Amino acid sequence: GQNIDQPTEMTATEGAIVQINCTYQTSGFNGLFWYQQHAGEAPTFLSYNVLDGLEEKGRFSSFLSRSKGYSYLLLKELQMKDSASYLCAVRDGDYKLSFGAGTTVTVRA
Amino acid sequence: GAVVSQHPSWVICKSGTSVKIECRSLDFQATTMFWYRQFPKQSLMLMATSNEGSKATYEQGVEKDKFLINHASLTLSTLTVTSAHPEDSSFYICSARDLVGKGNQPQHFGDGTRLSIL
Repeated sequence: GQNIDQPTEMTATEGAIVQINCTYQTSGFNGLFWYQQHAGEAPTFLSYNVLDGLEEKGRFSSFLSRSKGYSYLLLKELQMKDSASYLCAVRDGDYKLSFGAGTTVTVRA
Repeated sequence: GAVVSQHPSWVICKSGTSVKIECRSLDFQATTMFWYRQFPKQSLMLMATSNEGSKATYEQGVEKDKFLINHASLTLSTLTVTSAHPEDSSFYICSARDLVGKGNQPQHFGDGTRLSIL
């Protein structure tokens, strides 16, 4: 099975940078995903890492270290619309995703 | 981009009713679809993996006879919550994986179905 940990909530100011950490212990690893989920809506895909290193995608970047079982999602130039829950998910060899509990990010003006 | 359509988006019904939720991949074929359940302020929990042309595989603790899954074609999977009770009230979300895709293809999620059992 998978054990995925991420902070429950974080608060930051508009324009700032926030880093959401995710640690995992898995029985099989076939990639790590970050999703954004607004209340009452389905998750939307943000990023994917399968090799160690940093993947940059506009204001969002994600990092992975497989040896440490660690990833982070970096949100830059925060906007009010970035207030949401951010889910770390690990995929196994059967393409099943296991999700962390999610980190609620609140962006304040 | 790939789209997954899920219907209905909201269901309110009486206890004891059976509810069917459809999940369709609109512009790609999906041999595998996944069904998740999410309770308020909790994360998505995988319920079952739906395989086209074969039986679904259920996660531990999920009742097969309670949550019936049918994946009759490469673009449609259905989840039927049989004899639903208030404790089954939740947000149900399906996702599909593109049959012809690279390893970095994310699962594409439907918009979810909010089920409220009175």
